[in-house]
Amino acid sequence: EVQLVESGGGLVQPGGSLRLSCAASGFTFNTYWMSWVRQAPGKGLEWVANINQDGGEKYYVGSVKGRFAISRDNAQNSLYLQMDSLRAEDTAVYYCARDLRAKTPGVDYWGQGTLVTVSS
Amino acid sequence: QSVLTQPPSVSGAPGQRVTISCTGSNSNLGAGYDVHWYQQLPGTAPKLLIYSNSNRPSGVPDRFSGSKSGTSASLAITGLQAEDESDYYCQSYDSSLSVVVFGGGTELIVL
Repeated sequence: EVQLVESGGGLVQPGGSLRLSCAASGFTFNTYWMSWVRQAPGKGLEWVANINQDGGEKYYVGSVKGRFAISRDNAQNSLYLQMDSLRAEDTAVYYCARDLRAKTPGVDYWGQGTLVTVSS
Repeated sequence: QSVLTQPPSVSGAPGQRVTISCTGSNSNLGAGYDVHWYQQLPGTAPKLLIYSNSNRPSGVPDRFSGSKSGTSASLAITGLQAEDESDYYCQSYDSSLSVVVFGGGTELIVL
């Protein structure tokens, strides 16, 4: 059974940093692209970043470029999101997501999410 | 403002058929990128409902179907049930923005 379990969320002040982790199990982690998708309270879904199988390709939504960094450790079956210079508008539930492996990028499995709150 | 446009809400009575539209542009759906649909029940993570325009993952009832034509796509739900009350999101890729894009979401209300 595919499982994605996020951790690391919490309350952080504006300008602060946070590192999210996602523990993957139930599939061959190093053969999948992985993504982070977020959802602000009461709002829709927003793709944040993704990373290829060996970590050599990374892509970000414009609003987080230069502030967030996605990475992975295939030996630990783990995905990470380092978030620096956090802003109030980064407040959201962050989901770890496995790539759908289709012609167009998508998600076939989601974690349960971890809440990040940026507030003073 | 989302790149993919969905109606904020749709409603229908049990047993009825409803459709949810997803309108894009020539840099996403019109450029040949497929659309995927997700269902998000209240307080839970999204779940893949339809992938690559019209394919259902294992376990998704055949009451759910999808289609795409040009710059638009739609999700149809037949035999509406109370447990279908949820938020639904379309998703694709935009070549101008070089990002994965979601619709703003549609709340389905079962009357």
